[in-house]
Amino acid sequence: DIVMTQSPDSLAVSLGERATINCKSSQSVLHSSNNQNYLTWYQQKPGQPPKLLIYWASTRESGVPDRFSGSGSGTDFTFTISSLQAEDVAVYYCQQYYSFPITFGQGTRLEIK
Amino acid sequence: EVQLVETGGDLIQPGGSLRLSCAASGFTVSTAYMSWVRQAPGKGLEWVSVIYSGGGTYYADSVKGRFTISRDNSKNSLYLQMNSLRAEDTALYYCARDRDGYNKYDFWGQGTLVTVSS
Repeated sequence: DIVMTQSPDSLAVSLGERATINCKSSQSVLHSSNNQNYLTWYQQKPGQPPKLLIYWASTRESGVPDRFSGSGSGTDFTFTISSLQAEDVAVYYCQQYYSFPITFGQGTRLEIK
Repeated sequence: EVQLVETGGDLIQPGGSLRLSCAASGFTVSTAYMSWVRQAPGKGLEWVSVIYSGGGTYYADSVKGRFTISRDNSKNSLYLQMNSLRAEDTALYYCARDRDGYNKYDFWGQGTLVTVSS
């Protein structure tokens, strides 16, 4: 199984400041057939289901604000909110879809400082 | 508009069985790739199972042999038959749509709660 490890577990950032979350996979999720990283980022607000933000490690889902971005390749990935807004308070998860079983990171709780 | 509505969650004793349903609208389940993902109270996300448009299925090791994913095209619905339930199956169960078969989920239901306890 591919183990996904996020850091930090929780993060407090001031409004308007940058928030950065890291995700490391236990093996590469870069597929040689299409040179794509099989990694997504989700946002989950309290009492709501997860929401897809980023896929292929760096492609923003339609309708997602451009302050959200993803980067990285292979085993190391970063999720960034360039200017934190109050509505971004949530738990963020990375997920690999390179192989079964599909696995998620443990989540990073993002709060306002 | 795409919608997924899960039902069937309940309080059930260990060893019991339960069938979850997920009614879809705004798209056709038979041509989609559909998964179940669960979340234990206060915990993270755990993938459970997927059914591909062609009918192929995959399961997490933790549920293999106990859970069965299926769909009814005439009802545009997804199901999860859960047998031999254990306390560790207690979770909010989400159905989720994967629009292109890569197991990234663009629509999720609100979930249905399964509690396994005596």
